[in-house]
Amino acid sequence: EAQLVQSGAEVKTPGESLKISCEGSGYDFSSHWIAWVRQMPGKGLEWMGIIYPSDSDTKYNPSFQGHVTISADISITTAYLKWSSLQASDTAMYYCVRRGRSPMVMDVWGNGTTVTVSS
Amino acid sequence: IQLTQSPSFLSTSVGDRVAITCRASQGINNYLAWYQQKPGRAPKLLIYAASTLQIGVPSRFSASGYGTEFTLTVNSLQPEDFATYYCQQLYDYPHIFGQGTKLEIK
Repeated sequence: EAQLVQSGAEVKTPGESLKISCEGSGYDFSSHWIAWVRQMPGKGLEWMGIIYPSDSDTKYNPSFQGHVTISADISITTAYLKWSSLQASDTAMYYCVRRGRSPMVMDVWGNGTTVTVSS
Repeated sequence: IQLTQSPSFLSTSVGDRVAITCRASQGINNYLAWYQQKPGRAPKLLIYAASTLQIGVPSRFSASGYGTEFTLTVNSLQPEDFATYYCQQLYDYPHIFGQGTKLEIK
């Protein structure tokens, strides 16, 4: 069974860096796009970007480009979302999600990582 | 591409039939998915390719549409269906979501 397991909750102060992870198992990790989705407290879902682990081809939502970096390491079947300098407005739940064989399907979601940024 | 989902909030009862609409600002063929999210949980895929039911999703869920107008219908609402529903377009990047529709028990 395909599964995405995300790293644990983080509490950071503004200006700190952070990298959260999403480990895939039960499927061919390198051949499925992985997207990241933000959900701020009490708000809706926001698509941040997507990566193809096999060649690291990455597409960003312009709203997030330059503020986060998406990467992947196929040797350990893990995707990452990184911030160089966190802001209080980055406080949110972050989900990774796998695209299925069809480009119309985002079918497997991670359990989510809560990031809290507070001084 | 912008997605406009309506209504934003729906107060309804067990056994009711409800319809949620999602309108795209430009044609997206059938590159639309629907998700259900319950509090404190990750979203769950219900429908992809505008009308294809994901494996394991109850048949009371159905969806239709093509181009710019899409509808998710839930027949005979069950207590476990009270949640927030989102549409998402996968036609072009960024793969944005609608703003969500919250179903609440009347």
